[in-house]
Amino acid sequence: TQLLEQSPQFLSIQEGENLTVYCNSSSVFSSLQWYRQEPGEGPVLLVTVVTGGEVKKLKRLTFQFGDARKDSSLHITAAQPGDTGLYLCAGARSGGSNYKLTFGKGTLLTVNP
Amino acid sequence: EPEVTQTPSHQVTQMGQEVILRCVPISNHLYFYWYRQILGQKVEFLVSFYNNEISEKSEIFDDQFSVERPDGSNFTLKIRSTKLEDSAMYFCASSPRLGVGNTIYFGEGSWLTVV
Repeated sequence: TQLLEQSPQFLSIQEGENLTVYCNSSSVFSSLQWYRQEPGEGPVLLVTVVTGGEVKKLKRLTFQFGDARKDSSLHITAAQPGDTGLYLCAGARSGGSNYKLTFGKGTLLTVNP
Repeated sequence: EPEVTQTPSHQVTQMGQEVILRCVPISNHLYFYWYRQILGQKVEFLVSFYNNEISEKSEIFDDQFSVERPDGSNFTLKIRSTKLEDSAMYFCASSPRLGVGNTIYFGEGSWLTVV
């Protein structure tokens, strides 16, 4: 079973602070996706990382895939209240005719004004 | 922007009743999925569907569950005889293709409450 551990589980910070959340596994993933989920809604895709060591930026969000493709991080610069939400990482293996995401439990981020 | 749409958004059903959850995947996508999330727990894979057949299913997806693509646009999840533990948010998802870096897009979810 492939498991993804996310840390921290909860994070409460002040507006303007920087933060990093982590997604770790003992398994290798062919790609990893980060989603943000609001209460009662579906996960909304933020980014997909594929190559070991890859870094992608989405405005104030920076995503990195570990060299060994077992871990990933999300760094937010100058956090804003609108960044509040549950951040989920999900790892994918692909091959043959199937495609399945394994999700972490998420990091619940609260950005206080 | 194209999106996956799901109906109903919320359904309450009696234990033992049949439930059908409906989804319209993104129009040019070829791969379809159902995931579920029990309150406070991880999002879990249920089933993937391609070319009118199940390509993979999890251990959760037992004989009480079935999926169907009855026409060119809808994708349904049926639970034949609901149990209390089936209460969860059910997410439909779709992707355009398989392969490394493929992206799965999720719908808003259907919240099922079994009483």
